[in-house]
Amino acid sequence: NAGVTQTPKFQVLKTGQSMTLQCAQDMNHNSMYWYRQDPGMGLRLIYYSASEGTTDKGEVPNGYNVSRLNKREFSLRLESAAPSQTSVYFCASSGRTGDPTDTQYFGPGTRLTVL
Amino acid sequence: AQSVAQPEDQVNVAEGNPLTVKCTYSVSGNPYLFWYVQYPNRGLQFLLKYITGDNLVKGSYGFEAEFNKSQTSFHLKKPSALVSDSALYFCAVREWGGGNKLTFGTGTQLKVEL
Repeated sequence: NAGVTQTPKFQVLKTGQSMTLQCAQDMNHNSMYWYRQDPGMGLRLIYYSASEGTTDKGEVPNGYNVSRLNKREFSLRLESAAPSQTSVYFCASSGRTGDPTDTQYFGPGTRLTVL
Repeated sequence: AQSVAQPEDQVNVAEGNPLTVKCTYSVSGNPYLFWYVQYPNRGLQFLLKYITGDNLVKGSYGFEAEFNKSQTSFHLKKPSALVSDSALYFCAVREWGGGNKLTFGTGTQLKVEL
């Protein structure tokens, strides 16, 4: 039981390049989330997926797109990376809201630098 | 809108002494409160949560948190700090009936010294 896994662990991009961050969970959770962590700002929600087939914007969605590929996988895409997207990205998953399993559990993170 | 404040960027404690990491929140309705811990270069680990009921919540690694509705606070506590408790601690809140979108505080760096 690996929990939430993310790839890659580290990535360096040039401005304008694109990339996809991958996330997978093996806890049979319905909901998945993408956050970014910046110094002094805590974690901010980028996008989330309450269930397979649905996605919604969070607090800071501009410059990102997501795909809920299936129940296990939720990817985050940067179409044209900008230096302001330099951050640490975390994926999380949780059970259905209101269930005992609705605590969010986090992956190890992807450290992204955009030059 | 929901929000969380962690008023201290850093807390320093001597090993063996009690520790408190402060958190206050704001929600329209009833709160659902969490504490997470982050060790260097790692993801967030869940420590404990308050849903309803007993105001004192016990969690992992000997941590506990006290919910105070009148002061809208949810402070994290431990009776005797360990050097290994040194980490970044985040408080988070969501509102009942508001889906599962968490709002996080900015984090408090805990440093436990010998």
